Amino acid sequence: KAGVTQTPRYLIKTRGQQVTLSCSPISGHRSVSWYQQTPGQGLQFLFEYFSETQRNKGNFPGRFSGRQFSNSRSEMNVSTLELGDSALYLCASNPAYGFQETQYFGPGTRLLVL
Amino acid sequence: AQKVTQAQTEISVVEKEDVTLDCVYETRDTTYYLFWYKQPPSGELVFLIRRNSFDEQNEISGRYSWNFQKSTSSFNFTITASQVVDSAVYFCALAGNKLTFGGGTRVLVKP
Repeated sequence: KAGVTQTPRYLIKTRGQQVTLSCSPISGHRSVSWYQQTPGQGLQFLFEYFSETQRNKGNFPGRFSGRQFSNSRSEMNVSTLELGDSALYLCASNPAYGFQETQYFGPGTRLLVL
Repeated sequence: AQKVTQAQTEISVVEKEDVTLDCVYETRDTTYYLFWYKQPPSGELVFLIRRNSFDEQNEISGRYSWNFQKSTSSFNFTITASQVVDSAVYFCALAGNKLTFGGGTRVLVKP
Protein backbone atom coordinates (compact mmCIF):
# COMPACT_ATOMS: atom_id res chain seq x y z
CA LYS A 1 0.00 0.00 0.00
CA ALA A 2 1.15 3.53 -0.68
CA GLY A 3 1.87 5.53 2.43
CA VAL A 4 0.52 8.89 3.51
CA THR A 5 1.38 11.62 1.04
CA GLN A 6 1.59 15.31 1.70
CA THR A 7 1.87 18.22 -0.69
CA PRO A 8 3.68 20.44 -1.04
CA ARG A 9 6.81 19.24 0.74
CA TYR A 10 8.27 22.72 1.13
CA LEU A 11 6.65 26.11 1.20
CA ILE A 12 7.80 29.67 1.77
CA LYS A 13 5.25 32.33 2.60
CA THR A 14 5.28 35.83 4.03
CA ARG A 15 3.51 37.13 7.10
CA GLY A 16 -0.16 37.81 6.60
CA GLN A 17 -0.58 35.35 3.75
CA GLN A 18 -2.59 32.17 3.99
CA VAL A 19 -1.57 28.64 3.12
CA THR A 20 -3.29 25.35 2.33
CA LEU A 21 -1.62 22.01 2.90
CA SER A 22 -2.89 18.74 1.53
CA CYS A 23 -2.80 15.19 2.85
CA SER A 24 -3.81 11.91 1.22
CA PRO A 25 -4.19 9.06 3.72
CA ILE A 26 -3.32 5.43 3.26
CA SER A 27 -5.96 3.71 1.15
CA GLY A 28 -8.79 2.52 3.39
CA HIS A 29 -7.91 4.83 6.25
CA ARG A 30 -10.74 7.16 7.18
CA SER A 31 -9.11 9.20 9.93
CA VAL A 32 -6.65 12.00 9.27
CA SER A 33 -4.85 13.95 11.98
CA TRP A 34 -2.61 16.98 11.72
CA TYR A 35 0.36 17.89 13.91
CA GLN A 36 2.70 20.84 14.15
CA GLN A 37 6.35 20.27 15.00
CA THR A 38 8.62 23.12 16.06
CA PRO A 39 11.96 23.13 17.89
CA GLY A 40 10.45 25.10 20.76
CA GLN A 41 7.09 23.42 21.28
CA GLY A 42 7.83 19.96 19.94
CA LEU A 43 5.06 17.87 18.44
CA GLN A 44 1.59 19.24 19.02
CA PHE A 45 -1.77 17.89 17.93
CA LEU A 46 -3.83 20.23 15.74
CA PHE A 47 -7.00 18.33 14.85
CA GLU A 48 -8.44 15.02 13.72
CA TYR A 49 -11.02 14.33 11.03
CA PHE A 50 -13.06 11.20 10.51
CA SER A 51 -15.83 10.78 7.96
CA GLU A 52 -15.57 14.44 7.00
CA THR A 53 -16.18 15.57 10.59
CA GLN A 54 -13.74 17.11 13.00
CA ARG A 55 -13.59 14.72 15.97
CA ASN A 56 -10.86 16.25 18.10
CA LYS A 57 -9.13 19.60 18.24
CA GLY A 58 -5.92 20.74 19.86
CA ASN A 59 -5.19 24.05 21.49
CA PHE A 60 -4.55 26.22 18.46
CA PRO A 61 -6.12 29.53 17.42
CA GLY A 62 -8.94 29.73 14.91
CA ARG A 63 -6.48 30.71 12.18
CA PHE A 64 -5.80 27.00 11.90
CA SER A 65 -8.60 25.11 10.21
CA GLY A 66 -9.07 21.95 8.26
CA ARG A 67 -11.49 19.84 6.36
CA GLN A 68 -11.84 16.34 5.05
CA PHE A 69 -13.34 15.24 1.78
CA SER A 70 -15.48 12.22 0.99
CA ASN A 71 -12.43 10.35 -0.30
CA SER A 72 -10.76 10.92 3.12
CA ARG A 73 -8.22 13.36 1.72
CA SER A 74 -7.71 16.31 4.03
CA GLU A 75 -6.58 19.88 3.77
CA MET A 76 -5.29 22.18 6.45
CA ASN A 77 -5.46 25.94 6.14
CA VAL A 78 -3.60 28.59 8.09
CA SER A 79 -4.75 32.16 7.58
CA THR A 80 -2.93 35.38 8.43
CA LEU A 81 0.41 33.63 8.79
CA GLU A 82 2.73 34.61 11.61
CA LEU A 83 6.47 34.02 11.93
CA GLY A 84 5.77 31.50 14.66
CA ASP A 85 3.81 29.33 12.24
CA SER A 86 7.08 28.23 10.66
CA ALA A 87 7.13 24.53 11.34
CA LEU A 88 6.99 21.01 10.00
CA TYR A 89 3.34 20.07 9.54
CA LEU A 90 2.73 16.37 9.73
CA CYS A 91 -0.34 14.49 8.66
CA ALA A 92 -1.18 11.02 9.92
CA SER A 93 -3.86 8.51 9.04
CA ASN A 94 -5.38 5.43 10.61
CA PRO A 95 -8.36 3.18 9.93
CA ALA A 96 -10.47 4.38 12.87
CA TYR A 97 -10.49 7.55 14.90
CA GLY A 98 -9.20 8.28 18.34
CA PHE A 99 -5.92 9.05 19.97
CA GLN A 100 -5.39 5.46 20.97
CA GLU A 101 -5.10 4.26 17.40
CA THR A 102 -1.69 3.99 15.79
CA GLN A 103 -0.93 7.00 13.66
CA TYR A 104 0.83 6.46 10.31
CA PHE A 105 2.63 9.62 9.35
CA GLY A 106 3.43 11.29 6.07
CA PRO A 107 6.74 13.01 5.25
CA GLY A 108 5.45 16.42 6.29
CA THR A 109 5.32 19.88 4.80
CA ARG A 110 8.03 22.30 5.88
CA LEU A 111 6.56 25.79 6.06
CA LEU A 112 8.77 28.82 6.39
CA VAL A 113 7.10 32.15 7.10
CA LEU A 114 9.21 35.23 6.35
CA ALA B 1 -2.84 16.29 33.44
CA GLN B 2 -1.00 14.14 30.96
CA LYS B 3 2.76 14.38 30.52
CA VAL B 4 5.59 12.49 28.81
CA THR B 5 9.20 13.10 29.79
CA GLN B 6 12.18 12.00 27.77
CA ALA B 7 14.98 13.26 29.95
CA GLN B 8 17.76 12.45 27.49
CA THR B 9 17.85 15.07 24.78
CA GLU B 10 20.76 13.56 22.89
CA ILE B 11 22.73 10.31 23.08
CA SER B 12 25.88 9.61 21.12
CA VAL B 13 27.22 6.06 20.77
CA VAL B 14 29.66 4.16 18.64
CA GLU B 15 28.29 1.53 16.31
CA LYS B 16 27.53 -1.82 17.95
CA GLU B 17 26.99 -0.28 21.36
CA ASP B 18 23.61 -0.72 23.04
CA VAL B 19 21.55 2.37 23.74
CA THR B 20 18.55 2.74 26.05
CA LEU B 21 16.07 5.58 25.72
CA ASP B 22 14.05 6.51 28.78
CA CYS B 23 10.40 7.49 28.76
CA VAL B 24 8.45 8.41 31.88
CA TYR B 25 4.78 9.33 31.72
CA GLU B 26 2.06 10.76 33.90
CA THR B 27 -1.64 10.18 33.46
CA ARG B 28 -4.78 9.79 35.51
CA ASP B 29 -6.41 7.59 32.90
CA THR B 30 -6.73 3.92 33.79
CA THR B 31 -6.74 2.91 30.15
CA TYR B 32 -4.12 4.37 27.90
CA TYR B 33 -1.69 3.49 25.14
CA LEU B 34 2.01 4.14 24.77
CA PHE B 35 3.87 4.51 21.51
CA TRP B 36 7.39 4.87 20.21
CA TYR B 37 8.11 6.59 16.91
CA LYS B 38 11.35 7.13 15.03
CA GLN B 39 11.96 10.32 13.06
CA PRO B 40 14.89 10.08 10.63
CA PRO B 41 16.31 13.24 9.03
CA SER B 42 13.72 12.98 6.25
CA GLY B 43 11.10 14.08 8.79
CA GLU B 44 8.54 11.31 8.59
CA LEU B 45 7.61 9.67 11.90
CA VAL B 46 7.90 5.91 11.65
CA PHE B 47 5.76 3.82 13.98
CA LEU B 48 7.73 1.34 16.10
CA ILE B 49 5.42 -0.01 18.79
CA ARG B 50 2.04 0.44 20.48
CA ARG B 51 1.35 -0.94 23.95
CA ASN B 52 -1.80 -0.70 26.05
CA SER B 53 -1.81 -0.08 29.78
CA PHE B 54 -2.94 -3.61 30.59
CA ASP B 55 -0.16 -5.36 28.74
CA GLU B 56 3.06 -5.19 30.71
CA GLN B 57 4.85 -7.85 28.74
CA ASN B 58 8.18 -6.75 27.41
CA GLU B 59 8.62 -6.97 23.68
CA ILE B 60 11.52 -7.69 21.40
CA SER B 61 11.59 -7.02 17.69
CA GLY B 62 14.92 -7.73 16.09
CA ARG B 63 17.45 -5.36 17.65
CA TYR B 64 14.70 -3.36 19.36
CA SER B 65 13.24 -4.13 22.75
CA TRP B 66 10.84 -2.35 25.06
CA ASN B 67 10.45 -2.51 28.81
CA PHE B 68 7.08 -1.37 30.19
CA GLN B 69 6.87 -0.92 33.95
CA LYS B 70 3.54 0.41 35.11
CA SER B 71 4.76 0.65 38.71
CA THR B 72 7.30 3.29 37.73
CA SER B 73 5.28 4.74 34.81
CA SER B 74 8.10 4.03 32.41
CA PHE B 75 8.26 2.62 28.91
CA ASN B 76 11.92 2.39 27.96
CA PHE B 77 13.33 1.47 24.58
CA THR B 78 16.63 -0.31 23.92
CA ILE B 79 18.49 -0.63 20.64
CA THR B 80 20.93 -3.50 20.78
CA ALA B 81 24.11 -3.44 18.66
CA SER B 82 23.31 -0.01 17.26
CA GLN B 83 23.92 0.81 13.62
CA VAL B 84 24.46 4.10 11.80
CA VAL B 85 20.96 3.77 10.30
CA ASP B 86 19.54 4.00 13.81
CA SER B 87 20.57 7.65 13.95
CA ALA B 88 17.32 9.57 14.35
CA VAL B 89 15.11 11.32 16.86
CA TYR B 90 12.94 8.95 18.86
CA PHE B 91 9.63 10.00 20.37
CA CYS B 92 7.62 8.39 23.11
CA ALA B 93 3.90 9.22 23.11
CA LEU B 94 1.00 8.68 25.49
CA ALA B 95 -2.61 8.39 24.34
CA GLY B 96 -5.36 8.68 26.91
CA ASN B 97 -8.05 11.28 26.52
CA LYS B 98 -5.55 13.18 24.40
CA LEU B 99 -2.26 12.50 22.66
CA THR B 100 0.95 13.79 24.19
CA PHE B 101 4.44 13.41 22.78
CA GLY B 102 7.65 13.57 24.72
CA GLY B 103 10.32 16.03 23.68
CA GLY B 104 12.27 13.38 21.79
CA THR B 105 15.75 11.92 22.15
CA ARG B 106 18.25 12.42 19.37
CA VAL B 107 20.39 9.33 18.86
CA LEU B 108 23.65 9.67 16.97
CA VAL B 109 25.40 6.44 16.07
CA LYS B 110 28.96 6.96 14.91
CA PRO B 111 30.74 4.42 12.71
